[in-house]
Amino acid sequence: SQKIEQNSEALNIQEGKTATLTCNYTNYSPAYLQWYRQDPGRGPVFLLLIRENEKEKRKERLKVTFDTTLKQSLFHITASQPADSATYLCALDFSGGGADGLTFGKGTHLIIQP
Amino acid sequence: DAGVIQSPRHEVTEMGQEVTLRCKPISGHNSLFWYRQTMMRGLELLIYFNNNVPIDDSGMPEDRFSAKMPNASFSTLKIQPSEPRDSAVYFCASCGTTYNEQFFGPGTRLTVL
Repeated sequence: SQKIEQNSEALNIQEGKTATLTCNYTNYSPAYLQWYRQDPGRGPVFLLLIRENEKEKRKERLKVTFDTTLKQSLFHITASQPADSATYLCALDFSGGGADGLTFGKGTHLIIQP
Repeated sequence: DAGVIQSPRHEVTEMGQEVTLRCKPISGHNSLFWYRQTMMRGLELLIYFNNNVPIDDSGMPEDRFSAKMPNASFSTLKIQPSEPRDSAVYFCASCGTTYNEQFFGPGTRLTVL
């Protein structure tokens, strides 16, 4: 079965610095890899999607990389702000373009300290 | 659009009772997903539907769990009988695009005593 590993410990970053979160997976490579943000008491919110043939994707202060050889994705938040504090979930998507259930990691809790 | 709507937001019940969770997906979305989240296991897919048809229910933990989608705007997840280990937050999500960006509801926090 597919396993996804994210840093289980909280990540503390000083405001203004770049936060980097790691997602490692085993076995099959997904067609897509997605990142979600989850705040306490709320459902996950989609942030970015990157395809298996893409190396990097950017959206404002967010950047995602995808290395299918290392079976790893990195998620970067530049110029981090306290409002970026949340749990970030990595999700594997094997749908290849259709709709399919996602396999989620347990998430990394990010704390941006002012 | 109001987003994905789930009810109830909180449910406290006693072991052995039947529990029904409800979900209204975003209008126009043709895929619906039920997930369960716990501290120990994280967010797990239970079942999903495409065009109201169940596609994969391999994540449903036991026969005590069942899900239906009678029409494009409504789905239920039923647990009967409920057990304390079913305590979790249950999320419904819907998806309408080719690239599977999923929109999650606020979740139902279920506590089985």
